[in-house]
Amino acid sequence: SAVISQKPSRDICQRGTSLTIQCQVDSQVTMMFWYRQQPGQSLTLIATANQGSEATYESGFVIDKFPISRPNLTFSTLTVSNMSPEDSSIYLCSVGRDSTDTQYFGPGTRLTVL
Amino acid sequence: TQLLEQSPQFLSIQEGENLTVYCNSSSVFSSLQWYRQEPGEGPVLLVTVVTGGEVKKLKRLTFQFGDARKDSSLHITAAQPGDTGLYLCAGGSYIPTFGRGTSLIVHP
Repeated sequence: SAVISQKPSRDICQRGTSLTIQCQVDSQVTMMFWYRQQPGQSLTLIATANQGSEATYESGFVIDKFPISRPNLTFSTLTVSNMSPEDSSIYLCSVGRDSTDTQYFGPGTRLTVL
Repeated sequence: TQLLEQSPQFLSIQEGENLTVYCNSSSVFSSLQWYRQEPGEGPVLLVTVVTGGEVKKLKRLTFQFGDARKDSSLHITAAQPGDTGLYLCAGGSYIPTFGRGTSLIVHP
């Protein structure tokens, strides 16, 4: 398994501002994933972050809105830019650690945009 | 795109009742995972099943992977309020596909 921490755990932000979410893993991992979970919904993959290369974004998500950094094998950030109330969600980072494709999740960042 | 359909979407029961949650797909998965997510937390892995027909037990929870590896079920015996949460199934290689989840409320 993996121990994953996220900062901040929650935040309330004003429309038009940006928030950077940090994800720290207790060991080196090749791939990290960022998910969004809107209220009452399941998880939607935003992007896959590989160390040393640009993130790969899923359909409907773009780098200008959700820039991602991956400076090393234990850390990644996701920025939610120019926020609107529709961005209010839980943002989760995860890693895959074994051959069964199991994902291990951080505790999430609960974002509320006013 | 591999899709996972979960049912029921919502479940509200009394403590002590039994329940079953289903996860179905038209695609074959190499493995399938079940997670539980409590409010304000990230999903926590309950079990991974990899072999068709496999049955795994975790205390009062019984997980089954279909013979064809296209479906799975989660059965909870004598549910308790602590079982309340969102149950998610996920499957697929490299980047898993998540079902929409089953929201379970167990009333004392």
